[in-house]
Amino acid sequence: GQNIDQPTEMTATEGAIVQINCTYQTSGFNGLFWYQQHAGEAPTFLSYNVLDGLEEKGRFSSFLSRSKGYSYLLLKELQMKDSASYLCAVADSNYQLIWGAGTKLIIKP
Amino acid sequence: GAVVSQHPSRVICKSGTSVKIECRSLDFQATTMFWYRQFPKQSLMLMATSNEGSKATYEQGVEKDKFLINHASLTLSTLTVTSAHPEDSSFYICSARVREVGGSPLHFGNGTRLTVT
Repeated sequence: GQNIDQPTEMTATEGAIVQINCTYQTSGFNGLFWYQQHAGEAPTFLSYNVLDGLEEKGRFSSFLSRSKGYSYLLLKELQMKDSASYLCAVADSNYQLIWGAGTKLIIKP
Repeated sequence: GAVVSQHPSRVICKSGTSVKIECRSLDFQATTMFWYRQFPKQSLMLMATSNEGSKATYEQGVEKDKFLINHASLTLSTLTVTSAHPEDSSFYICSARVREVGGSPLHFGNGTRLTVT
């Protein structure tokens, strides 16, 4: 079967660093996405990895290991506005997204 | 970059009426669009895959006669919720496949919050 696993909830402190992990098993692979979603809003694109390695984009970085079926999203210098759900999704062979359940990130002052 | 426009952003309708949601690719041609539904505190659920000029492919459990999808052009796909009921109240989101080198191959609209009273 196909599944995406990520932690349900994480808590971190403002100004700190947090790493959100995602493991996946899918039929076909056309890349892994990370999205940020605030309550009541559509997901906002954060990153797309299709090759192994680390992609850095400002305070956010995303890593992919295809052989391990593993990715992480790294958030640095956390701000209160980063409190949101972070969704990991994998595009299968037809570019249909298989979604993780999302990780709710709580930032404390 | 590629932009997907979804309209309306919010709609309130009475039970039994129909609602149409539009998803447009503004600066690219989208041969494939996806429609998702998200209930509160749940993940996005794929409803159907829409290919330009052909019938949509619906996921198991999604009633194709209730959720009518039309993808008549390379820049527009529509989802019509027919005879809406309160249980259809949800967040509906479209995404479009972008065929370009580099960058994300999928872009999302901003979603439509449907409330059926």
